[in-house]
Amino acid sequence: EVQLVESGGGLVQPGGSLRLSCAASGFTFSKYAFSWVRQAPGRGLEWVSGISESGSSRYYADSVKGRCEISRDNAKKTLYVQMNSLTAGDTAIYFCVREMDEDSGYYHYMDVWGKGIMVTVSS
Amino acid sequence: EIVLTQSPGTLSLSPGERATLSCRASQSISSSYVSWFQQKPGRAPRLLIYAASRRATGISDRFSGSGSGTDFTLTISRLEPEDFAVYFCQRYGSSPLWTFGHGTKVEVK
Repeated sequence: EVQLVESGGGLVQPGGSLRLSCAASGFTFSKYAFSWVRQAPGRGLEWVSGISESGSSRYYADSVKGRCEISRDNAKKTLYVQMNSLTAGDTAIYFCVREMDEDSGYYHYMDVWGKGIMVTVSS
Repeated sequence: EIVLTQSPGTLSLSPGERATLSCRASQSISSSYVSWFQQKPGRAPRLLIYAASRRATGISDRFSGSGSGTDFTLTISRLEPEDFAVYFCQRYGSSPLWTFGHGTKVEVK
C-alpha cells in the first residue's frame, strides 16, 4: 500500500524550531518529487516547500523562505522539513505530498497525501 | 503571482442534483497542470481530477473536469451523500510552484 506518514509535530513556542518527517512506503521513493502543504485551522491549503527527486532542487513559498529547509534521505525513504523562527501564523496541519509526473512532465500533479500532522505555535 | 478564484464559496444542493464548481485563474494557465481535490472534515485532500479533465484512479465518473486558459470547471453529475465536502482547484507552475484556490463547500440543502 502506498503510504506517507508524517511525524514530529506538536506544540512549539514562538521563535522556536521544529523538524517534521515523512516516512514513505509502498513505492520507489527516489523516483518522485515531494512537497509539504499546510492548512491553518478552518482555512484553505497553502503550498510550503518542494524538493526534486534527487534533492538537488528545492523550492519555497515566500511565507517561509529563509526560515524553512526541505530535505530528503532516499536511502531512508524519508522527507523532512526544518522550520525555524516559528510564529502563530505557522500553526497548521502539515501534509506530506507525493508529486506525480506523466509523459515526461507534460502532466504534473499531487497524487498521494499523508494524513497530516498538527503544528501549534503558542506560548 | 497567479491567483485562483473559486466560486461560489458555498453551494447548497440536494442529493441527486448536479453541482458545477468554477475556478478562474488571474491569467492564462496550462490545463496540463490544473487539478481538483476533495476534502472532508479531518481528512487529507483526495485527488479527483488532474490535467483539467483526467479522472484520477478510482474516481467515480460522476466527477468530470473541463476548461482551458483562465476558466476551469468541476462538475458532479448527480450528488451522492458522500460528495458533500470542500473542493479545491490547484495549479502547478512557478512563483509559487503550486497554487490553490480557496475552496468551494458543497453542502446539503
